[in-house]
Amino acid sequence: ILNVEQSPQSLHVQEGDSTNFTCSFPSSNFYALHWYRWETAKSPEALFVMTLNGDEKKKGRISATLNTKEGYSYLYIKGSQPEDSATYLCAFRGKTVGGSQGNLIFGKGTKLSVKP
Amino acid sequence: DVKVTQSSRYLVKRTGEKVFLECVQDMDHENMFWYRQDPGLGLRLIYFSYDVKMKEKGDIPEGYSVSREKKERFSLILESASTNQTSMYLCASSSPNTQYFGPGTRLTVL
Repeated sequence: ILNVEQSPQSLHVQEGDSTNFTCSFPSSNFYALHWYRWETAKSPEALFVMTLNGDEKKKGRISATLNTKEGYSYLYIKGSQPEDSATYLCAFRGKTVGGSQGNLIFGKGTKLSVKP
Repeated sequence: DVKVTQSSRYLVKRTGEKVFLECVQDMDHENMFWYRQDPGLGLRLIYFSYDVKMKEKGDIPEGYSVSREKKERFSLILESASTNQTSMYLCASSSPNTQYFGPGTRLTVL
């Protein structure tokens, strides 16, 4: 059974703090790593799709790094704002036996609360 | 923008009822998915479909079935709802690289 772990489970920070969370995934048969943001009462929204070891992606104040050899990805938020409050999900996509992409396997998420 | 819609945001049903959850996407995606999300657990895949009339079991298909008669529509069916199917249900459709989610249906089975 493939396991995707996210830590911490929840995080409370003050507005202006920078923060980061971790996603751990299997280091073999890697195809892609996805990050989503899920705000309450909204649809999960895709943030990043990362495919190459050493990848770094950035979207505004949010960035992510990827290490496929050791099986982890970090998501960073610089200068957190109340509107960043959401659950951040990572999802691992492996390769099937035939070499094509498998289904997404989600972590349990990190719930971020940013206090004004 | 990709749009994935689900028929209801909130639904309350009784044990034993047959329940239909509908999902429609407007981007001509071939792949569609049904997940459920429960507290303390990640999104878990129930069923997916990669083409009209095609379906594949995900990780937790027991107690569910699906229907894909048209490309844009993927339905999740609870043949006889039970209280352990109380959950948040999310539908998604997929381009080659990204899944796009609907807003979810929170189903309560009494």
